Amino acid sequence: EAQVTQNPRYLITVTGKKLTVTCSQNMNHEYMSWYRQDPGLGLRQIYYSMNVEVTDKGDVPEGYKVSRKEKRNFPLILESPSPNQTSLYFCASVRGSEQFFGPGTRLTVL
Amino acid sequence: GDSVTQMEGPVTLSEEAFLTINCTYTATGYPSLFWYVQYPGEGLQLLLKATKADDKGSNKGFEATYRKETTSFHLEKGSVQVSDSAVYFCALSLTNAGKSTFGDGTTLTVKP
Repeated sequence: EAQVTQNPRYLITVTGKKLTVTCSQNMNHEYMSWYRQDPGLGLRQIYYSMNVEVTDKGDVPEGYKVSRKEKRNFPLILESPSPNQTSLYFCASVRGSEQFFGPGTRLTVL
Repeated sequence: GDSVTQMEGPVTLSEEAFLTINCTYTATGYPSLFWYVQYPGEGLQLLLKATKADDKGSNKGFEATYRKETTSFHLEKGSVQVSDSAVYFCALSLTNAGKSTFGDGTTLTVKP
């Protein structure tokens, strides 16, 4: 089954403790993307990747890092999380211009 | 920069009512336009799309027409059902497929 998976689905952490949210797709798509969803602000793009080792900033990249060492994986890294990064995060894999979204990761930073 | 403006919600309708959710955009170049739907507790999924001016996207009774002259892509459905209750997002994407811009989302609630 074609899908995008994210882990963990839920995470509660404390300020400053490094964390990684994994994202994997099995559709062999070149493009992948990370978004955060906040009430009243819709979806905002954090980073995107056009292929292995090729990434670029979206609209809200501050405080985040990404890597793309393999085509299928696109992890999101928060080196020093802060409470304003509490949000719902979505990974997406892109075919043409259509996005296929993962189920989301709800992150709370205390 | 690129932007998408959606009609503010929430929208509450009775079953079988007509639905319109307005969406306008600003973009450099010629974007593809999308409507995504998010059901409670789930990720977004594509509802319909249009890739050039005057194209009409349609799916599950929903329709939207790409209007270049008014830079709009309004979502319509003739008769909504309770199962259509969800959040609807309008979005655009330019030729660089990794870069997309979403509207704020419109929450639709359909009452029986």
